[in-house]
Amino acid sequence: QVQLVESGGGVVQSGRSLRLSCAASGFTFSSYGMHWVRQAPGKGLEWVAAVSYDGSNKYYGDSVKGRFTISRDNSKNTVYLHMNRLRAEDTAVYYCAKDVEAVTIPPYYYYAMDVWGPGTTVTVSS
Amino acid sequence: SSELTQGPAVSVGLGQTVRITCQGDSLRNSYASWYQQKPGQAPLLVIYGKNNRPSGIPDRFSGSSSGNTASLTITGAQAEDEADYYCNSRDRRANQVVFGGGTKLTVL
Repeated sequence: QVQLVESGGGVVQSGRSLRLSCAASGFTFSSYGMHWVRQAPGKGLEWVAAVSYDGSNKYYGDSVKGRFTISRDNSKNTVYLHMNRLRAEDTAVYYCAKDVEAVTIPPYYYYAMDVWGPGTTVTVSS
Repeated sequence: SSELTQGPAVSVGLGQTVRITCQGDSLRNSYASWYQQKPGQAPLLVIYGKNNRPSGIPDRFSGSSSGNTASLTITGAQAEDEADYYCNSRDRRANQVVFGGGTKLTVL
């Protein structure tokens, strides 16, 4: 079945780095844009980043631009989120999510996400 | 970047109809998508595009849009519909995705 599973979360000190991974299965991973979305404790959803189906186009939310990098390896069916200079306000559950449609024209991603992983928790301690 | 505004909470009687709204400038040129989230679970896409339901989503869920406002309507709300609902869309100018703050639906 179609599935996404995140990993790599944990407790990290402020200012340090962390890399999240999201393993995909059950669909043609290389055809779909992918997203990272986070949710701070007791708060709403916040879009973090998106990457196009082939990895050549990347987009970021204002709060993470310049600190986080999204990437993907289509040979491994995996999308990554490299998080640098972590802050206390980055503490959240991080979800990866799949575009509902394959988009091969600019901007190369959709914004409706039909498959979500269970999430991985990142806690940034000061 | 653009913002989407949702009311914090709404309630509906069992079997009644409820509308949840989402407002923002990005909705003038981008349809809203809607997500249902229950405690401790990942979000679930219920509506996207003009009014598309993913496989498995009951037809009591529908979407509509007018100007800068998008709406999610649940016709004949069930107890299992009690959840937080989020809208999102694309901010074409900033090339970013934006989420609304969420609406907590209580089914009485």
